[in-house]
Formats: sequence, structure tokens, C-alpha cells
Amino acid sequence: DTGVSQNPRHKITKRGQNVTFRCDPISEHNRLYWYRQTLGQGPEFLTYFQNEAQLEKSRLLSDRFSAERPKGSFSTLEIQRTEQGDSAMYLCASSFLQDPYGYTFGSGTRLTVV
Amino acid sequence: DAKTTQPNSMESNEEEPVHLPCNHSTISGTDYIHWYRQLPSQGPEYVIHGLTSNVNNRMASLAIAEDRKSSTLILHRATLRDAAVYYCILRDAGGAQKLVFGQGTRLTINP
Repeated sequence: DTGVSQNPRHKITKRGQNVTFRCDPISEHNRLYWYRQTLGQGPEFLTYFQNEAQLEKSRLLSDRFSAERPKGSFSTLEIQRTEQGDSAMYLCASSFLQDPYGYTFGSGTRLTVV
Repeated sequence: DAKTTQPNSMESNEEEPVHLPCNHSTISGTDYIHWYRQLPSQGPEYVIHGLTSNVNNRMASLAIAEDRKSSTLILHRATLRDAAVYYCILRDAGGAQKLVFGQGTRLTINP
């Protein structure tokens, strides 16, 4: 297993377009988290899944954002009608419920909205 | 969400020990103390965690105060590759177990 994989690494889109990011977690991890990080700030929690169930969503996740994790495997994060304020690094992490060692993060998808 | 306080930045020299402090006066009995670091253009990386006792691993040591209201991450011999932003985070043992990141400490290592 090569860790948490995120695609694409970079995405440039025009304002108003829709974008979708993919995250492939470590295969035996049953929890998957999405975070957003803007320049100079620490990552901010967006949402998390336990298996295929989305159990918590942050207030940061406006109705333009939607996340899915079909069959409890990979996850997608879609942003509709992108705005310049959506420009950020989107990070995915996975963990095993019973494992206290914490998360394994992917390298992120950097979104630039022009 | 429990909060932590860290210095914005610290500087050290290569091959010297580095002590990164963290205050968490509102820690609860079920909170684990986690440290992550983030190198440029990468996602955060787990460093170490502990509950009450001091901990050592191949990357670092974690010293936890007796009252658990503060902790110190110790890098025994810093290298240039240790230059990163270090985050001290309290993680609840139950529920979402989500990590709530602060601003972290930007560590600069001088050659």
C-alpha cells in the first residue's frame, strides 16, 4: 500500500465551473477525512466518513460542496459553481477506527480558481 | 474543540536539539496529545502522540507535564529536513476523533 493518494495534484478552473477531487485511502482504513488549507493557515476540518456513512460536516462545507464515499472505499469531493475563495489545498486523510496513531494524509489537491 | 497554544516560529541549528513547546490548559482527561509536522507542498505527517507518560519514537520524544496542561516535542539532533511547520493537537479518544489544527510553529533549521 502506497499510502493515501489524491488526484489531481493541481487543478486550475474558471470561476463558476464545477470541480471534483478524488481520494484513495489506505485500504484497511475505515475512516476518511477531508480538510481544506489556505496559505499560512493550518488545515481546517470539512467532513468525515466512517465506511460509506458521512457522519459529520463542518459549517465550512456550504451547499456548493458535496462529498461521497461509495462502498466505503475511495471518496470524491465536488465543488459546484466555484468561487475565488475556494482556492486552497484540499487534503484527504484516512485512519483506522481503533488505531490511536492518528491519520495518514495525502499530498493534497491544490485548487486555483481564476 | 480543545485548543493549543504554540509559538509562531522557532529557529535552531543543525545537529542541535530542538524543544518545541505547546500549552493546552483546557485539556480533558480523554484527550490525546498529538504532534504532526508539515513540510512544504505536502500533507501533514504524524510525528508522535501521548496521553500521560513521556513517549519516544524514532522521530522524536514527547515530554508531557504532570498536570497535562503543557507538552514539549523534542527533536534530539535537528537536520535540515526537519524544517517544517509543527502542529500540537488535542485529539478526543471518542467521537469523530478529528484533528483540530492551530497555526503551528514554523521551525527553521540553520546549517
